[in-house]
Amino acid sequence: GAGVSQSPSNKVTEKGKDVELRCDPISGHTALYWYRQSLGQGLEFLIYFQGNSAPDKSGLPSDRFSAERTGGSVSTLTIQRTQQEDSAVYLCASSHGGGTEAFFGQGTRLTVV
Amino acid sequence: QQQVKQSPQSLIVQKGGISIINCAYENTAFDYFPWYQQFPGKGPALLIAIRPDVSEKKEGRFTISFNKSAKQFSLHIMDSQPGDSATYFCAATHPRNQFYFGTGTSLTVIP
Repeated sequence: GAGVSQSPSNKVTEKGKDVELRCDPISGHTALYWYRQSLGQGLEFLIYFQGNSAPDKSGLPSDRFSAERTGGSVSTLTIQRTQQEDSAVYLCASSHGGGTEAFFGQGTRLTVV
Repeated sequence: QQQVKQSPQSLIVQKGGISIINCAYENTAFDYFPWYQQFPGKGPALLIAIRPDVSEKKEGRFTISFNKSAKQFSLHIMDSQPGDSATYFCAATHPRNQFYFGTGTSLTVIP
């Protein structure tokens, strides 16, 4: 498809386990964003990649969270030693450049039990 | 610090009525203002967007009004339909920067 693809769509994990969430952006989009949305809440910024520039990691809530973007395309968000408060929907978006139309994926619903 | 403030938190409108959601921002460097629509269990979908060089943009039943001097922008949904019931987020950004989102407005359109 032509849209932003996220996998898995749902993930249930035990407290203390590590998880990896994947985002395939729209082809050609240089900017990639990760946001977190808790149930019924707004969008919390996590991290922003723009081309080859150093990512803006200012939204990562703790050092348990990290993200990388390989080859300027696919991105992986890793949460180490998951906690129950990490349960949320993790949303990825991409755009041609920062400050232009951004398109979201369907999200990964993470449940930590 | 909330970069974009959105109101109301929730809104109930009769079918055929006008829904109005307001947002305000502080950073004058913002130059792109999109609105997103989100249905339960789905990711936000881009609805309409505006840049500050125009005061209004209309796409079908959806209109953005933009007041640069007041640093405010709003979404108007004309002839609201039950299918418009969703959560709406305003946002703002500037080049090579993240999107700053409002806190969302839950819209319910009553048949």
